[in-house]
Amino acid sequence: DGGITQSPKYLFRKEGQNVTLSCEQNLNHDAMYWYRQDPGQGLRLIYYSQIVNDFQKGDIAEGYSVSREKKESFPLTVTSAQKNPTAFYLCASSTYRTSGRADTQYFGPGTRLTVL
Amino acid sequence: AQTVTQSQPEMSVQEAETVTLSCTYDTSENNYYLFWYKQPPSRQMILVIRQEAYKQQNATENRFSVNFQKAAKSFSLKISDSQLGDTAMYFCAFMKHEGGFQKLVFGTGTRLLVSP
Repeated sequence: DGGITQSPKYLFRKEGQNVTLSCEQNLNHDAMYWYRQDPGQGLRLIYYSQIVNDFQKGDIAEGYSVSREKKESFPLTVTSAQKNPTAFYLCASSTYRTSGRADTQYFGPGTRLTVL
Repeated sequence: AQTVTQSQPEMSVQEAETVTLSCTYDTSENNYYLFWYKQPPSRQMILVIRQEAYKQQNATENRFSVNFQKAAKSFSLKISDSQLGDTAMYFCAFMKHEGGFQKLVFGTGTRLLVSP
């Protein structure tokens, strides 16, 4: 089955620790994204990557880091510099065209991160 | 800056009835795309419907249809014959091309409860 997987589903972190959230897709999509969701708010973009070995900051990148060494994988590291990391994190992917047509983003099941 | 406003934090409807969720957005662009995503209790974001701004015809997907009013910058979602499985958060999202990147901007969501 084609899709996007995220692991773990729940993650607990002690203050001062870095943690890495996994995102894998087998849809052959070029572009991948990380969003953060807080109660009462919509999704906010953390980082995105349009091709392998390239990624860009989104609207709330401070305290986060990413890598894109493989097309299928886009892990997100939440560092100790992120002041309020408790949130729901969603990964998405899409095709990538420069033609002006929109590429629909498809989402993974998410990871709930809680800082203890 | 583009913003998306969903003015109804919560709505309820009885099974088999019709409900309309509202969404307005603000943009100076002429070419853009609009989406409705559904987030059930599982928290996975699922695409419901999309609309291209250059198309005057309203998009339809089975029981889901939109009323797209470009001049008014309004993009409401109508759910006909509501089912219990429609209970979810619904997010309206606006997409535009920004420096070669397709950016999704989300509203804060409407929580829909379908009751028997």
